Amino acid sequence: AQKVTQAQTEISVVEKEDVTLDCVYETRDTTYYLFWYKQPPSGELVFLIRRNSFDEQNEISGRYSWNFQKSTSSFNFTITASQVVDSAVYFCALSEARGKLIFGQGTELSVKP
Amino acid sequence: SQTIHQWPATLVQPVGSPLSLECTVEGTSNPNLYWYRQAAGRGLQLLFYSVGIGQISSEVPQNLSASRPQDRQFILSSKKLLLSDSGFYLCAWSGGAPNSPLHFGNGTRLTVT
Repeated sequence: AQKVTQAQTEISVVEKEDVTLDCVYETRDTTYYLFWYKQPPSGELVFLIRRNSFDEQNEISGRYSWNFQKSTSSFNFTITASQVVDSAVYFCALSEARGKLIFGQGTELSVKP
Repeated sequence: SQTIHQWPATLVQPVGSPLSLECTVEGTSNPNLYWYRQAAGRGLQLLFYSVGIGQISSEVPQNLSASRPQDRQFILSSKKLLLSDSGFYLCAWSGGAPNSPLHFGNGTRLTVT
């Protein structure tokens, strides 16, 4: 069965610190897709990134970077030089061939000034 | 561009009353549509998804039902609300392919009293 685990329930950092959010997944599919979403206090989920199972190249977008490692079934998310506006709940998600999205429990990130 | 509308934003209903939450999508045809619930524990639970008009798949047995009377309209209903139906309800759409990200509405915060 598909499963996404975000072991970190809450993380608190001080502004400008780097922070990594962990995501471990389980799937029997050989083709799958991984996603990260951000949920700010307003509640709306915002799509951040998608990664295909056959593309292990890491990605950087500004202060955000993602490390995908199939060998450890992990898809970790790092925020460099964190800012107060990064405070939110972050969700990792897995999509199987049928297209349904399975979410982890989320990690609440608090960035203090 | 595509937009998703979900209403109402907040709702307080007594136990035993009916429920109707509506979601509409603009700017795309034949989207996959989803209803998720986010309880206080923060995890996102898939309730229903639809790949076409009149086609509804239920993920978990519950007190709720869903309907898709038009291509871009998705309705979540209940005949009699329970206290346990309280939560944050999110509608989402995707392009249908497994690698298509979900795009979420702003959510409805339902409190059953």
